[in-house]
Amino acid sequence: SYELTQPPSVSVSPGQTARITCSGDALPKQYAYWYQQKPGQAPVLVIYKDSERPSGIPERFSGSSSGTTVTLTISGVQAEDEADYYCQSADSSGTYLHVVFGGGTKLTVL
Amino acid sequence: QVQLVQSGAEVKKPGSSVKVSCKASGGTFSSYTISWVRQAPGQGLEWMGRIIPILGIANYAQKFQGRVTITADKSTSTAYMELSSLRSEDTAVYYCARDGPCSGGSCEYYFDYWGQGTLVTVSS
Repeated sequence: SYELTQPPSVSVSPGQTARITCSGDALPKQYAYWYQQKPGQAPVLVIYKDSERPSGIPERFSGSSSGTTVTLTISGVQAEDEADYYCQSADSSGTYLHVVFGGGTKLTVL
Repeated sequence: QVQLVQSGAEVKKPGSSVKVSCKASGGTFSSYTISWVRQAPGQGLEWMGRIIPILGIANYAQKFQGRVTITADKSTSTAYMELSSLRSEDTAVYYCARDGPCSGGSCEYYFDYWGQGTLVTVSS
């Protein structure tokens, strides 16, 4: 089965850089997407196609890909960035469409 | 600006079914693909399936095959997700979301607009 693995938690001080990783065997062949989710709210897309940023998302959010790992980087972290972050990808090459999410990473701003 | 507005919270008995609606405004509903994603309390996100309204074609996650039905009514710009044989583990917030675009037979499988979520509680 297609799985994505994220660290459960990442902590960073305000103004520092947070890096959240996501690993999966199919990531070299498939795009990754990232979502931010704050308590009681729906997820918000912050990165698509590995490194593209939707309009309205601050420039401090960036994405990168290397082999089987993709990384969400938040530069100059602010208190408002404290949230859960999920990576997501999809594989349409087989009989079934597999859309998978990572388990999520809780970003704590110290 | 696309908006997805979902129906209200539901409380269901084990073994019953639930049907959640998702009404879209802004953009052209027929050109969307709408997915359903659920989130159990304190847990992560789980994709259930999607529908292409203009074609009326639905794809389902293997886990939910046979238990979920996703439909769309183009006349009211509304998508529906019905889940049957409910059990306590189906207690979750259910979200509809708009998929990324498709062109030339290739689709972008991300979700750029989300509904507000519908809490479904399964309890005897």
